Amino acid sequence: GAVVSQHPSRVICKSGTSVKIECRSLDFQATTMFWYRQFPKQSLMLMATSNEGSKATYEQGVEKDKFLINHASLTLSTLTVTSAHPEDSSFYICSARVSFGLAGITDTQYFGPGTRLTVL
Amino acid sequence: DAKTTQPPSMDCAEGRAANLPCNHSTISGNEYVYWYRQIHSQGPQYIIHGLKNNETNEMASLIITEDRKSSTLILPHATLRDTAVYYCIVRVAETSYDKVIFGPGTSLSVIP
Repeated sequence: GAVVSQHPSRVICKSGTSVKIECRSLDFQATTMFWYRQFPKQSLMLMATSNEGSKATYEQGVEKDKFLINHASLTLSTLTVTSAHPEDSSFYICSARVSFGLAGITDTQYFGPGTRLTVL
Repeated sequence: DAKTTQPPSMDCAEGRAANLPCNHSTISGNEYVYWYRQIHSQGPQYIIHGLKNNETNEMASLIITEDRKSSTLILPHATLRDTAVYYCIVRVAETSYDKVIFGPGTSLSVIP
């Protein structure tokens, strides 16, 4: 199946610093990638939709100036958590949408392994 | 996207079939049923999807009722590694901003 990687898998940073998380589709091209956040014992929450070459679309309540998303190529999207604070500590997961079948009749999202962010 | 309802948790004996139900009574004609699972501290894993016909792959089978208002994911021979949270999602494909929205899912525990 399609493979999505994330880097780093785990990061610890001091409060006030910025952290960049990379999401790569390894064996396919992804015009659309998604970023999720997951707190302990909760389900995944969609943060934003990233389309290659255009601005990301953020879900309600997600600060676009705090969570900067760049999707500069068909295989790479980045999420930068700016001026991170302890409440930003979470599990961040990206996914990439693959189109297959007849003219995109069906599609499937494949997920990365996640990045555990801890802000001290 | 239509909402889904799943039991919060289920147990299954190792080696037995695990049958995970999902209700999606408000599903639209162009919405697909997708199943994902998430093993602890990992990213979700795609399992299977379907529109109205039953589907089978190397991981599982998906049974969709004729009225499409509910479905069942079947893991034919559950192993301990199948312990995970299973998410049933209905969504429209073929749209530029289509996205997977997760509900609370079903926490499946496979017991030795």
